[in-house]
Amino acid sequence: EAQVTQNPRYLITVTGKKLTVTCSQNMNHEYMSWYRQDPGLGLRQIYYSMNVEVTDKGDVPEGYKVSRKEKRNFPLILESPSPNQTSLYFCASSSIRAGANVLTFGAGSRLTVL
Amino acid sequence: QQQVKQSPQSLIVQKGGISIINCAYENTAFDYFPWYQQFPGKGPALLIAIRPDVSEKKEGRFTISFNKSAKQFSLHIMDSQPGDSATYFCAARVTGGGNKLTFGTGTQLKVEL
Repeated sequence: EAQVTQNPRYLITVTGKKLTVTCSQNMNHEYMSWYRQDPGLGLRQIYYSMNVEVTDKGDVPEGYKVSRKEKRNFPLILESPSPNQTSLYFCASSSIRAGANVLTFGAGSRLTVL
Repeated sequence: QQQVKQSPQSLIVQKGGISIINCAYENTAFDYFPWYQQFPGKGPALLIAIRPDVSEKKEGRFTISFNKSAKQFSLHIMDSQPGDSATYFCAARVTGGGNKLTFGTGTQLKVEL
């Protein structure tokens, strides 16, 4: 089954404790992206990657890092989480071919930072 | 700065009624307008999409109406069903903008029996 898999799905952590949310896709997609979803704000892009070793900032990159060492994986790293990073996070991927670039989302990772 | 404004924030419709969600955009470089549907505990999934060279697109009970001059587009759900209860997001994308979607703030739809 074609899918985007995120882990963990739920996480409670404390301020300053580094964490990584993993994202993996099995569709050989070039493009991958991280969004956060907050009530009243919709989905906002954190970082994206057009291909291996190519990453760029989205609209709300502060406090986050990403890496793209392999085509299928795009982990989101919070080096020193703060309470304002409590949110629902989504990883998404798509092909970059014209006409085939529908964004497919993972099921989400709910993060609480105390 | 909200580039895609969505309303209403929430909507309650009776079974069989018409649900209407509206979006307005500012960036005239947007040239692809999808709607995503999100059920609780799930990620958003593409529902229907339109390009600005047409004024309407229909897929089953779902229709997008697009008004390029007003920079507005809307989702109409005909014969709304309880199974349509979900959060709906409009979005917009600039071709060549790295596949980035700019989302609206979402509308929580509840269809009551």
